[in-house]
Amino acid sequence: DVKVTQSSRYLVKRTGEKVFLECVQDMDHENMFWYRQDPGLGLRLIYFSYDVKMKEKGDIPEGYSVSREKKERFSLILESASTNQTSMYLCASTAGQGMYGLSNQPQHFGDGTRLSIL
Amino acid sequence: AQSVTQLGSHVSVSEGALVLLRCNYSSSVPPYLFWYVQYPNQGLQLLLKYTSAATLVKGINGFEAEFKKSETSFHLTKPSAHMSDAAEYFCAAESGTYKYIFGTGTRLKVLA
Repeated sequence: DVKVTQSSRYLVKRTGEKVFLECVQDMDHENMFWYRQDPGLGLRLIYFSYDVKMKEKGDIPEGYSVSREKKERFSLILESASTNQTSMYLCASTAGQGMYGLSNQPQHFGDGTRLSIL
Repeated sequence: AQSVTQLGSHVSVSEGALVLLRCNYSSSVPPYLFWYVQYPNQGLQLLLKYTSAATLVKGINGFEAEFKKSETSFHLTKPSAHMSDAAEYFCAAESGTYKYIFGTGTRLKVLA
């Protein structure tokens, strides 16, 4: 079974801090994703990566950056945390190769990190 | 633009009653479609997926969904609700744009 592990379940940080959220998958998946989940808004894509060192902006990349130095690890960085970044953050991975679509591969999710910015 | 619409942010059913959660997608080309379930304080788990092999798709926990191209719908059903089905359900689509598009979710409440 695919396992996607997020480093923290709960995190509390202060405004202005640089925050790192880590995600590791153990199935050699090429594609990894970061979402934030807010009530009534569903999941919104922040960034995704289809290969090591490759990244693409999602729908709400402002205030975030990512790093993928190894295939199994995808990090989300909040450059200077703000209160409006308080949210649930979900990491996901998917098999499938190439930039031209992911075919019918489902996403495998971690359990999420609930981040509070004070 | 591609979109996925889930009608009803909250649905309540009695235990043993039919569960119907609605999902419509917008696309000129039928996408790949998924239903996920999220239990409290957990990530999303795949319930089922549509891959064009059959219009009626069976998933885990007794759920199934029917793809209707003419209605651009992919509604999720279960004949008899169980208390353990209480969760939030998300419909999602992937249409070759290298992204997945999620609906805003439907929270299912099961009444004893």
